[in-house]
Amino acid sequence: DAGITQSPRHKVTETGTPVTLRCHQTENHRYMYWYRQDPGHGLRLIHYSYGVKDTDKGEVSDGYSVSRSKTEDFLLTLESATSSQTSVYFCALGSGRDVGELFFGEGSRLTVL
Amino acid sequence: SQQGEEDPQALSIQEGENATMNCSYKTSINNLQWYRQNSGRGLVHLILIRSNEREKHSGRLRVTLDTSKKSSSLLITASRAADTASYFCARGSGNTPLVFGKGTRLSVIA
Repeated sequence: DAGITQSPRHKVTETGTPVTLRCHQTENHRYMYWYRQDPGHGLRLIHYSYGVKDTDKGEVSDGYSVSRSKTEDFLLTLESATSSQTSVYFCALGSGRDVGELFFGEGSRLTVL
Repeated sequence: SQQGEEDPQALSIQEGENATMNCSYKTSINNLQWYRQNSGRGLVHLILIRSNEREKHSGRLRVTLDTSKKSSSLLITASRAADTASYFCARGSGNTPLVFGKGTRLSVIA
């Protein structure tokens, strides 16, 4: 276990409401990632961080923002949730952009009604 | 999309048989990784093979990489019911985050 915790694990919300998902690590990994997983699409990268206050966009970043104010926490925010953002969201930790393995959290299932 | 493609999408075998999953990709890589995901859980790293390697083993897992064909395969020998899961390949291309394929769902029937 790489010491990674996602919260909340399950959330149901209404269209148009803001949602924040939290990823917390105890392992001091430099890189943190947010992926979404949808049937037929596999895992797609939303945003990632390579250090405190250093973030970059992934393949499907529209409608999402992130923040990393300290090493341990990487927040994913949906400013105004839409039904297309219903998904399972995974946080992952890594030591480099693509070097070595990623350690995944257990996922956060979000349903937007 | 930059995603690789796993083949087949789904595979059902009897316990004790071997399971082979394939992964194709389009751009150059410096490593390729395989992950496993049990239902309702996060992904777990299985094995990493670098672009200058052709084959790698880990227990009952054997991974091959053919960079000329831009493909990799994952072989699980003597499958067990506990191997039932989804398997994903992910390619590393140097300065960009890992790109995952869509996965192969493996069912091992006891």
